[in-house]
Amino acid sequence: GESVGLHLPTLSVQEGDNSIINCAYSNSASDYFIWYKQESGKGPQFIIDIRSNMDKRQGQRVTVLLNKTVKHLSLQIAATQPGDSAVYFCAEKGNAGNMLTFGGGTRLMVKP
Amino acid sequence: ETGVTQTPRHLVMGMTNKKSLKCEQHLGHNAMYWYKQSAKKPLELMFVYNFKEQTENNSVPSRFSPECPNSSHLFLHLHTLQPEDSALYLCASSWTGGNGELFFGEGSRLTVL
Repeated sequence: GESVGLHLPTLSVQEGDNSIINCAYSNSASDYFIWYKQESGKGPQFIIDIRSNMDKRQGQRVTVLLNKTVKHLSLQIAATQPGDSAVYFCAEKGNAGNMLTFGGGTRLMVKP
Repeated sequence: ETGVTQTPRHLVMGMTNKKSLKCEQHLGHNAMYWYKQSAKKPLELMFVYNFKEQTENNSVPSRFSPECPNSSHLFLHLHTLQPEDSALYLCASSWTGGNGELFFGEGSRLTVL
């Protein structure tokens, strides 16, 4: 499932540090956002979501922040672990229809 | 186990071959999707089926032919492909009218020689 050869932005962090992955979205009418994680050899997996009426949502070790003013979404991972190494995609859904639009992805590399 | 199963996981075919990719979802969803993930581009939506009816064809070449016999099964028939069609083909499912969350399979890695 890795996007081999695709020039992805890469974030390299030390194990135990916090990671912040950013995403800019384009549609100001988008009302729902998801972060997906794709490990090597696998399909994308849901991590966390947030609706446009919220600006923050927390999960287990992950937090999503939404800034609608500047159309920016971020994923924060606390105490990053080697198992967090993957490509992370943000996706947005407009307020009409059911379709998700995906961003290009960021590769997270965790150094032991 | 994501509830969406794709077969085969790996496929190598020549440009004159005919092959098919299969997807089955066990989640009771009523919408199914094919996405292409290549080395040069991010996730590209190819086809969408809602209640077995095709509702989206994202300008996909006719050498890719989808088939959705029921809400649980989705096929992608491949014929006279080009080397640039080599990619990971991802199937996904969701609820129509739901929040939009997609559940993905593990993908079928296709190599066209």
